[in-house]
Amino acid sequence: DVVMTQSPLSLPVTLGQPASISCRSSQSLVYSDGNTYLNWFQQRPGQSPRRLIYKVSNRDSGVSDRFSGSGSGTDFTLKISRVEAEDVGVYYCMQATHWPITFGLGTRLEIK
Amino acid sequence: QVQLQESGPGLVKPSQTLSLTCSVSGGSISSGTYYWTWVRQPAGKGLEWIGRIYASGSTNLNPSLRSRVTISVDTSKNQFSLKLSSVTAADTAVYYCARSECTNGVCSPSTYWGQGTLVTVSS
Repeated sequence: DVVMTQSPLSLPVTLGQPASISCRSSQSLVYSDGNTYLNWFQQRPGQSPRRLIYKVSNRDSGVSDRFSGSGSGTDFTLKISRVEAEDVGVYYCMQATHWPITFGLGTRLEIK
Repeated sequence: QVQLQESGPGLVKPSQTLSLTCSVSGGSISSGTYYWTWVRQPAGKGLEWIGRIYASGSTNLNPSLRSRVTISVDTSKNQFSLKLSSVTAADTAVYYCARSECTNGVCSPSTYWGQGTLVTVSS
């Protein structure tokens, strides 16, 4: 299985400051069709996961433009330009390029 | 607006079979190029993809659970189900159902998830 390694595991951030989460995969996530199937999910406390970003850098409908995704191959990043209180939760990267789908262990974002 | 809702027993005894159903509303389970997916999350831990099913009944299962998992669909009821046999305490988790969307044969969970249901394995 493809191992997804996230860092940091815990991310304390001051309100209004930027945040960055790294995700590395044990294999390239480029699929045979040229797409890279790397998604980011947000899970707020007590809620279901919510997809934020798909195929590396595409924001889902309704997702704030404070969130952006980038990367290629095996290295990916989720950035939040200015952290707000509602961003508290756990963020997961997930790959769907290789069978089976695998998730990172998650990065817990908290407000300092 | 598509909504998914899990249902089933919250307590299962060790060695027995866990059974959950996901009811889909706001859209037909048979429409579109969607797979219907199960994901679980042990308390305080990350997400584990269990498997998925297409409306035709075609399934893909995580190899780590394949020997114990059955996923089925009932299009007449707009539901799909999960059965996990020979459960142990390690199967205690919140179980989510979700809709997966597909591009060029690659499918992944997207926007629509159920609220999750906690299943505890204990005698």
